[in-house]
Amino acid sequence: SQQGEEDPQALSIQEGENATMNCSYKTSINNLQWYRQNSGRGLVHLILIRSNEREKHSGRLRVTLDTSKKSSSLLITASRAADTASYFCATALSGTYKYIFGTGTRLKVLA
Amino acid sequence: NAGVTQTPKFRVLKTGQSMTLLCAQDMNHEYMYWYRQDPGMGLRLIHYSVGEGTTAKGEVPDGYNVSRLKKQNFLLGLESAAPSQTSVYFCASSSLAGTPYEQFFGPGTRLTVL
Repeated sequence: SQQGEEDPQALSIQEGENATMNCSYKTSINNLQWYRQNSGRGLVHLILIRSNEREKHSGRLRVTLDTSKKSSSLLITASRAADTASYFCATALSGTYKYIFGTGTRLKVLA
Repeated sequence: NAGVTQTPKFRVLKTGQSMTLLCAQDMNHEYMYWYRQDPGMGLRLIHYSVGEGTTAKGEVPDGYNVSRLKKQNFLLGLESAAPSQTSVYFCASSSLAGTPYEQFFGPGTRLTVL
């Protein structure tokens, strides 16, 4: 399978805590993206980090990318119950639009 | 703007039946994609299109055909449905303008093949 791997598969935290999830991928990439999926809904784009960037912030989100290890992490700070969702990383083979999604991390934030 | 819409939302087929899933986007996006999502497998790319009249195979294209006769529409066809095609199907689109590579997803079609 070409799919990326994410860990943990599931994560349960208290409101206000930080949540960290990791993604590993297998190919050379131009960029890596993170998406959120609420139960029964389509995916929503969160943030994109290019292969020449090491860290990127957007609101309560912080993404890091280590191309030497082919891995990325997504940190959600000060989590809220509304952050409960599944989170997926996505990459495309360099020079293509063939996207590969990770298997996802199911995050549950307890109020 | 409606964004990306998918028709139908639910469908039950018998093995061997055929059907077409319709995806429509009103954002004038060049690229469109069809994915399937199975439990524990994330999303897998079936076919994609980089423009009107063009299509290309993704990771899991077998058993599916697609057409992009109009820029705003991307059709996914199952000629002879099999139980292994039971899944949730998502359509997405993206543009070279704005934020390239950001995909906008439809709400999904839940397909059951008996």
